Amino acid sequence: KAGVTQTPRYLIKTRGQQVTLSCSPISGHRSVSWYQQTPGQGLQFLFEYFSETQRNKGNFPGRFSGRQFSNSRSEMNVSTLELGDSALYLCASSLVSGTRSYEQYFGPGTRLTVT
Amino acid sequence: GDSVTQMEGPVTLSEEAFLTINCTYTATGYPSLFWYVQYPGEGLQLLLKATKADDKGSNKGFEATYRKETTSFHLEKGSVQVSDSAVYFCALCRGSARQLTFGSGTQLTVLP
Repeated sequence: KAGVTQTPRYLIKTRGQQVTLSCSPISGHRSVSWYQQTPGQGLQFLFEYFSETQRNKGNFPGRFSGRQFSNSRSEMNVSTLELGDSALYLCASSLVSGTRSYEQYFGPGTRLTVT
Repeated sequence: GDSVTQMEGPVTLSEEAFLTINCTYTATGYPSLFWYVQYPGEGLQLLLKATKADDKGSNKGFEATYRKETTSFHLEKGSVQVSDSAVYFCALCRGSARQLTFGSGTQLTVLP
């Protein structure tokens, strides 16, 4: 079974621009979560989508947004980029069955550099 | 709020040495606990998990036991290899929230 895929793997943007990152979950996984990893703040939860609805949201400004499509693929968008948005953005998917959630599996990440 | 505290790194060991990476947590209720590993330039790989008190997770020679009384989930391996060099993250997840809270990570380097 194919793992979680993320595109692009590397991205360089300029301050003020916007960016869209994509994540394809493991087949059959309907929950997709996004995390930001930086040397200073570590791994921080951004948001989670299940059945095309945002279920949980971390403590990030409104410039960070996301969505999920009917095939469970997800995108996240960052508008008006700031230097501090430079990070590795990780996507994770998990299986959800009834009220039970299972462990999260991560993709390789998208390395975003803002100049 | 929830939090995870890991021992400060970096940790440097010789091949075949015993490894312990301490992890303690603060959370209400009964969270699930995880260890993830990150190799250079890669995402996170699930190493092991435990979902209730006294559960022992194990994988690839690594073990960790969910200790409710000490709110700990220490990672151990009896004999490390050079290939174990990576960053190790302890994490928790409460209920069906599907929101992981991570520790700061511990860099492990194993020398031949």
